[in-house]
Amino acid sequence: KAGVTQTPRYLIKTRGQQVTLSCSPISGHRSVSWYQQTPGQGLQFLFEYFSETQRNKGNFPGRFSGRQFSNSRSEMNVSTLELGDSALYLCASSPNSGSSYNEQFFGPGTRLTVL
Amino acid sequence: GENVEQHPSTLSVQEGDSAVIKCTYSDSASNYFPWYKQELGKRPQLIIDIRSNVGEKKDQRIAVTLNKTAKHFSLHITETQPEDSAVYFCAAPQRDTGRRALTFGSGTRLQVQP
Repeated sequence: KAGVTQTPRYLIKTRGQQVTLSCSPISGHRSVSWYQQTPGQGLQFLFEYFSETQRNKGNFPGRFSGRQFSNSRSEMNVSTLELGDSALYLCASSPNSGSSYNEQFFGPGTRLTVL
Repeated sequence: GENVEQHPSTLSVQEGDSAVIKCTYSDSASNYFPWYKQELGKRPQLIIDIRSNVGEKKDQRIAVTLNKTAKHFSLHITETQPEDSAVYFCAAPQRDTGRRALTFGSGTRLQVQP
C-alpha cells in the first residue's frame, strides 16, 4: 500500500495570508490526525478526523481548522498566518482494526515558512 | 490533560553500548505508550509500543518497560549502531480520544559514535 502523502511539501507564505494543506491517508484508513512540529514546542496535536467528523481537538486557536472528505482525504487550513505558525505540519492516518489499530502512520509533512 | 516529560534531551553513546530514554506521564488512565523514531528530515516512525497490561516488551535490540505505579516508561536500545542515531519521542494518548490524539515528549537526540 502507498504510504501517507502530503502536499505541498514546502510552502512559503507571508503574515496575514491563509494556507491549505492536504493529506491523503493510507488506503482503507479512515482516521486522520494532524500535528504541528516546531523546535520550541515539539510535536503538538491539532485535531483528528474520522468519517468526515472532527473527533478530537487540541489546544490551538480557531485560526486552525480542518475537514475530511468522503474518501478520507483531509485538509487543514490556517488563516491569518503568524510568524509563529512556521512549522512542519504532519498528518497521520490510523486503521480502524487489525494488529496496527493503535499505530499512527505519519506522512512526510509540509514545511510551512511564514515571512 | 496528559503531560509527558522525557529525559535526557540528548544522549551520546559509543557503538555497541546501550541507551536508555525515560518518560513520565501524568494521567493514570493512560493505557498505551508508543515510541517513535525520527531521522533527520524524515517522518516519525513507530518503533515499539506497550499497553498498560504489560510490564515489558521486546523487539530484537529494542525494549520498552512500563511502571504504572510510578507512571513512567523507558526505551532501552542494546548494542547500538550508527543507524540508531535519530530523535526518539515517547507519547501517551490524551484521555478519551481513542488513542488518536497523542501527547508527545520533547524528544531525545541519540548520537551513536562509531
